[in-house]
Amino acid sequence: EIVLTQSPATLSVSPGERATLSCRASQSVSSNLAWYQQKPGQPLRLLIYGAFTRATGIPARFSGSGSGTEFTLTISSLQSEDFAVYYCQQCDNWPYTFGQGTKLEIK
Amino acid sequence: QVQLQESGPGLVKPSETLSLTCTVSGGSISSYYWSWIRQPPGKGLEWIGYVYHSGTTNYNPSLKSRVTISTDTSKNQFSLKVRSVTAADTAVYYCARSPPYSSGWCDYWGQGTLVTVSS
Repeated sequence: EIVLTQSPATLSVSPGERATLSCRASQSVSSNLAWYQQKPGQPLRLLIYGAFTRATGIPARFSGSGSGTEFTLTISSLQSEDFAVYYCQQCDNWPYTFGQGTKLEIK
Repeated sequence: QVQLQESGPGLVKPSETLSLTCTVSGGSISSYYWSWIRQPPGKGLEWIGYVYHSGTTNYNPSLKSRVTISTDTSKNQFSLKVRSVTAADTAVYYCARSPPYSSGWCDYWGQGTLVTVSS
C-alpha cells in the first residue's frame, strides 16, 4: 500500500499570501494524484486531479505540480474561504490512499 | 447539480452488520464509479471500495472479506454493507462519485454520516 506523507501538518498563513502544501509518496505514483479541500460539515471538494488539472469550477489561484513521488499544491493568494484541511490522494495503485492532511489556518 | 446523501443507522452493535445507502440526485447512477470512503474520528481517510454502474466492484484488501457494495439503478442508489463490525469500524462514512473514465478520484461527495459501533 502506498503511503502519502503530507507536510506540514499545520500551516499558518496570512490572507493574501501564498500557501505551499507538500505531499510525498512512498513510491512513484506517476501523475495519478488528486487534492481535496475539507471544511467542517461540508462535502469534500475535489480541487486537482492528474497532479495538475483543476477540477470544474476551481479558481485559478489553486495549482498543482509534481510527478513521481513529490507533489505540491499552491494557493497563490489566500482568500478567507481557503482556510481548511487539504488532503492528497493517489490513484496509481489499489487501494487508493490519502495523506493525513494539512490544516491551513489563518495567521 | 449532482448531490449525494448517505443514510442509515448511526449506532450499530459489535458483531452486527453496518448498512448504509447513498441516494444520488441531480444525475443518473449509470456510467459512473461509486465509492465508499471512511474516516475514523481523528484519523485519516480510508477508501473502502467502489462499484461501477455495471456492478463490477473493487474492495480494499484490508476490508474485502467483510464488505459488499452494490447498486440499485431503479432507485438511483448504491449501498454499503460491513459485516462483523467492531469498534474499529466507528467512523464518518462518505459516499462519492468518480467520473466514468476513471475510478481514481471523486468529483462529488456526500456530507458524510457518523456510524458508531457500540453495545
